[in-house]
Amino acid sequence: AQKVTQAQTEISVVEKEDVTLDCVYETRDTTYYLFWYKQPPSGELVFLIRRNSFDEQNEISGRYSWNFQKSTSSFNFTITASQVVDSAVYFCALKNYQLIWGAGTKLIIKP
Amino acid sequence: ETGVTQSPTHLIKTRGQQVTLRCSSQSGHNTVSWYQQALGQGPQFIFQYYREEENGRGNFPPRFSGLQFPNYSSELNVNALELDDSALYLCASSFLPERTGNTIYFGEGSWLTVV
Repeated sequence: AQKVTQAQTEISVVEKEDVTLDCVYETRDTTYYLFWYKQPPSGELVFLIRRNSFDEQNEISGRYSWNFQKSTSSFNFTITASQVVDSAVYFCALKNYQLIWGAGTKLIIKP
Repeated sequence: ETGVTQSPTHLIKTRGQQVTLRCSSQSGHNTVSWYQQALGQGPQFIFQYYREEENGRGNFPPRFSGLQFPNYSSELNVNALELDDSALYLCASSFLPERTGNTIYFGEGSWLTVV
């Protein structure tokens, strides 16, 4: 069975705090892809990152960083020095031929 | 912007009616997938089209059908609308076969309300 779990339904922090969004996945495939998307209230899913199963290098993009740990089947996302504009629902997804989504984490950044 | 466009952005239909949603894929992409996202939930895979044929389907009844055209654009058709079909319908554009750097881009979605 393939599954993505985002255990945090909602996180609320004050601006400038660091915040980590957790993602745990299950799959029997050896080749797969992991994604993070941001969904603001407008509804559009904004692509953040794609990682394939053979690339365990962590990645940093500005204030965003991702920690891929195959040993624990986790692909966590950290926002450093959060800003109000980061407020959105964030989805983690696993792909073989279709995207399998987590339930999403609603992130609220308070001024 | 992703280059994936969907229309209409919002629509209201009556139970029992039929609806057609449209999607233009990103330039260079040959695959279109459709997802249904109910309020407060993650997207659910409906189906995927590649080379004008359905090549994957989620757990949706046959009254959900689709088409892909030679220019890779796509339509999602839903017949006999039910109240539970009210959702955001998202179109995703990608490329097959998988290759390094490949990603999946989404349109802004079509908000469907069934009354």
